Amino acid sequence: EAQVTQNPRYLITVTGKKLTVTCSQNMNHEYMSWYRQDPGLGLRQIYYSMNVEVTDKGDVPEGYKVSRKEKRNFPLILESPSPNQTSLYFCASSFIGQGVGELFFGEGSRLTVL
Amino acid sequence: AQSVTQPDIHITVSEGASLELRCNYSYGATPYLFWYVQSPGQGLQLLLKYFSGDTLVQGIKGFEAEFKRSQSSFNLRKPSVHWSDAAEYFCAVQETSGSRLTFGEGTQLTVNP
Repeated sequence: EAQVTQNPRYLITVTGKKLTVTCSQNMNHEYMSWYRQDPGLGLRQIYYSMNVEVTDKGDVPEGYKVSRKEKRNFPLILESPSPNQTSLYFCASSFIGQGVGELFFGEGSRLTVL
Repeated sequence: AQSVTQPDIHITVSEGASLELRCNYSYGATPYLFWYVQSPGQGLQLLLKYFSGDTLVQGIKGFEAEFKRSQSSFNLRKPSVHWSDAAEYFCAVQETSGSRLTFGEGTQLTVNP
């Protein structure tokens, strides 16, 4: 089954404790992206990747890191989480054909930073 | 840079009634346009897309959207809403030469029995 898998789905952590949210897709997509969803703000892009070893900042990259060492994986790293990073995070992927908008989304990871 | 506005934060309709969700975009040329739906506790699912050609596009679940260049709009419609359509709907825009997708703030749809 074609899917984007995120882990963990739910996480409560404390300020400053490094964490990684993993994302994996099995569709051989070139493009992968991370979004955060906050009430009233829609989805805002954090980072995206056009292919292996190619990453770029989205609209709200501060406080986050990513890497793309393999095509299928695109982990999101919070080196020193802060309470303003409490949010719902989505990973998404697509082919780069006629644009990157036909995204397949994971089910989301709800992060709470205390 | 492109931007998207969904003027209605929350819409309530009765089951069986027609639906129109508004979306306005800002972009210098004709962008690629999308509508996504998010059911409670789920990720987003693509409903339909517009790249070029016919300005009325059909999507899944009986939805359609019409691109109007003169109004910079891409409104989503459905003739008869079902209770299962209750969800949050997001319009999104992408530059034709770009690699980033920008989402609107979302419209929450409530369906009354």
